[in-house]
Amino acid sequence: GAVVSQHPSRVICKSGTSVKIECRSLDFQATTMFWYRQFPKKSLMLMATSNEGSKATYEQGVEKDKFLINHASLTLSTLTVTSAHPEDSSFYICSTGSNQPQHFGDGTRLSIL
Amino acid sequence: GQQVMQIPQYQHVQEGEDFTTYCNSSTTLSNIQWYKQRPGGHPVFLIQLVKSGEVKKQKRLTFQFGEAKKNSSLHITATQTTDVGTYFCAGHGNQFYFGTGTSLTVIP
Repeated sequence: GAVVSQHPSRVICKSGTSVKIECRSLDFQATTMFWYRQFPKKSLMLMATSNEGSKATYEQGVEKDKFLINHASLTLSTLTVTSAHPEDSSFYICSTGSNQPQHFGDGTRLSIL
Repeated sequence: GQQVMQIPQYQHVQEGEDFTTYCNSSTTLSNIQWYKQRPGGHPVFLIQLVKSGEVKKQKRLTFQFGEAKKNSSLHITATQTTDVGTYFCAGHGNQFYFGTGTSLTVIP
């Protein structure tokens, strides 16, 4: 099946730092990738859908300027958490697939001190 | 808005007992997917159901999609410690939503 590589797996940084998370599809071309956020013991909340070569589609309540998404190629999508604060600490995870079953990256655990 | 709820939220069972999680959507779904997430891991796709009333089996796991395509269930027969994790349903209605999840603990 599809393989999705996400890194880094864990980030610990100071408040105010911007953090970039990468998501790569290793064995196929992904025109669409999804970015989720998951709080401890909670479900996955879809943040945005990244579209190769065009602007990402953000879910209601997600700040576009805070969570910058770039999908410049068919194999790479990035999520940048800009000027991160402690409330941005969470588990961020990407996936590929549209109406098909999704394949997830391993996730990034972000901790803002 | 569309909501996908699962019950129970948590379930502790003795190894060998059966387990069922129920998934209910506020809107009709075009399909339903089930995922398993182990502690500290990422969700892993288990199965997809598309047809009304569809039933699929994977070894000890039985998946059902309701006739109205608004609910689904996952039943595990004779649980094992390897079944530990959180089970999520996910479906396409107006948008794609994950259910609230059921966390399963299996006591040896």
